[in-house]
Amino acid sequence: GAGVSQSPRYKVTKRGQDVALRCDPISGHVSLYWYRQALGQGPEFLTYFNYEAQQDKSGLPNDRFSAERPEGSISTLTIQRTEQRDSAMYRCASSLGGTDYEQYFGPGTRLTVT
Amino acid sequence: ILNVEQSPQSLHVQEGDSTNFTCSFPSSNFYALHWYRWETAKSPEALFVMTLNGDEKKKGRISATLNTKEGYSYLYIKGSQPEDSATYLCASPQGGSEKLVFGKGTKLTVNP
Repeated sequence: GAGVSQSPRYKVTKRGQDVALRCDPISGHVSLYWYRQALGQGPEFLTYFNYEAQQDKSGLPNDRFSAERPEGSISTLTIQRTEQRDSAMYRCASSLGGTDYEQYFGPGTRLTVT
Repeated sequence: ILNVEQSPQSLHVQEGDSTNFTCSFPSSNFYALHWYRWETAKSPEALFVMTLNGDEKKKGRISATLNTKEGYSYLYIKGSQPEDSATYLCASPQGGSEKLVFGKGTKLTVNP
């Protein structure tokens, strides 16, 4: 079946612009996670949802970052007033839910802020 | 804050060698330990999720063990092949949340 998909795959934006990154999880997966991954580093947690409820947003760096999953399926991560330090790979993952299930990662969105 | 440590940071082996590396995590308040394989320019791929002390899981030539009492997990690769070259990441959920805290990974290079 289809895996996790993300769009766009690459995004170049100017400093100060807002960007919206989209994640389409595996059908039927309860949980959806957002991570940021710097070059050569492991994923760093940002936030996650169970269905449409945002359960933990402790990893969001500041209030310019927000995420939603209004219908419990597709999710959007929005970064307002982007800064150069926001440049990174943003990965989405989904799972059946709970700590015991593996997370399936999407291909990521490479964000470059110029 | 949960601290997940991996060692070594990198490893070079010859094709056919067997190898292993370590993931350390706090033994208190343990929920699960995840192993992922990550090739640069691709997405991390789940290998194992382990929850029980003494658990051992195997997938082909790769296996993993778990010791929750002392807070470590070993990943073993038997007869390494060049296609095993990747970064191996372990991660643990923090405090019962589904938030995974990742280690920095062990980068394995298998020379033909």
